[in-house]
Amino acid sequence: GNSVTQMEGPVTLSEEAFLTINCTYTATGYPSLFWYVQYPGEGLQLLLKATKADDKGSNKGFEATYRKETTSFHLEKGSVQVSDSAVYFCALSLSGGYNKLIFGAGTRLAVHP
Amino acid sequence: GAVVSQHPSWVICKSGTSVKIECRSLDFQATTMFWYRQFPKQSLMLMATSNEGSKATYEQGVEKDKFLINHASLTLSTLTVTSAHPEDSSFYICSARDSTGATDTQYFGPGTRLTVL
Repeated sequence: GNSVTQMEGPVTLSEEAFLTINCTYTATGYPSLFWYVQYPGEGLQLLLKATKADDKGSNKGFEATYRKETTSFHLEKGSVQVSDSAVYFCALSLSGGYNKLIFGAGTRLAVHP
Repeated sequence: GAVVSQHPSWVICKSGTSVKIECRSLDFQATTMFWYRQFPKQSLMLMATSNEGSKATYEQGVEKDKFLINHASLTLSTLTVTSAHPEDSSFYICSARDSTGATDTQYFGPGTRLTVL
């Protein structure tokens, strides 16, 4: 079946540290891949996306590269800030659009000064 | 970005009663809305796809008679949990699809926490 696995949290980092949150997927066909972020008390927001192999999605200093050979879409940021503290969800969609998102369990990130 | 609201944000009810949760797209029209359920420390699980003016499409294993979905307008979808039981306690999240602009984007509501006593 189709599924997304991401690293368990919480991830605790100091400000300006390097962030990696691992995400791997299993899918039939060619999925689109997404990272969503949920700040405390708010709804999920699309952070970045990639629709085909080798695409790199980027936004707000975050990056993720669609790796078909390793079925991965790891999220990275070179220097995190306290304001990045949130829950991050990796997701895939097989329709190529925004239908039927399949989510990972989410990874909580806590950044302290 | 676009805003999706949910009401109520949390609700406590007695076993056997029904609870209605509203999902509204505040500044765009959404022909498609989605309802998800999230258990603690687990993934968001898609329950159903709600299309304006037609019947919802439920995912396998989701009881359509228990989770009634109505999408009567382009800005409102409702989820009614009928005859709720403690095992229905969960976090319910809706999203609305904005496919009118250059980017086809799904916007999420903040969620509704349901506790059934």
